[in-house]
Amino acid sequence: DTEVTQTPKHLVMGMTNKKSLKCEQHMGHRAMYWYKQKAKKPPELMFVYSYEKLSINESVPSRFSPECPNSSLLNLHLHALQPEDSALYLCASSQGPWGLDEQFFGPGTRLTVL
Amino acid sequence: SQKIEQNSEALNIQEGKTATLTCNYTNYSPAYLQWYRQDPGRGPVFLLLIRENEKEKRKERLKVTFDTTLKQSLFHITASQPADSATYLCALQSGAGSYQLTFGKGTKLSVIP
Repeated sequence: DTEVTQTPKHLVMGMTNKKSLKCEQHMGHRAMYWYKQKAKKPPELMFVYSYEKLSINESVPSRFSPECPNSSLLNLHLHALQPEDSALYLCASSQGPWGLDEQFFGPGTRLTVL
Repeated sequence: SQKIEQNSEALNIQEGKTATLTCNYTNYSPAYLQWYRQDPGRGPVFLLLIRENEKEKRKERLKVTFDTTLKQSLFHITASQPADSATYLCALQSGAGSYQLTFGKGTKLSVIP
């Protein structure tokens, strides 16, 4: 299985809602990533987990809370988001923990904050 | 400050021709450089990785070069097809042992039949 899956595909939420994005990979990869991508912009790194430990937090607001329950799963908990947080949220994984390998991306969750 | 520039926002070429995309960078000393393809509304798909000590890499109709003196990578698609139409992103590792991949803004390639 060489796939990264993400659920849901689309999410519409109000500014007071709490929701979660899920990401799963069964390739035995040791690093997992969350990216945010706005329209016509490149993906921007948000968080990196290596061996299930948070390694990088790119100064992301606390209304985004990542979680890595095990080596195959990555969650992104959302709370009190702003309309400007509307974007495509991409999960990725790579084999080694050191960022020296290609990254496998999921299809993304299209998030709209009303 | 660090910059990655893909100097064409959009590139139109005729089917069958070779497409050449450019990625320039400043204030980086990347150990390697990667190229990804992204279709609208989809996640990027890895194409090629080239290390700093490699000059050229090929995969089927794709070729990438890496010139650390010029701080430039060229990405070529030979015998281009309409199915090659997509946005192509170059990405650099930000620092030694870093997990962070920083992407250029991408070049949208359109192959016209």
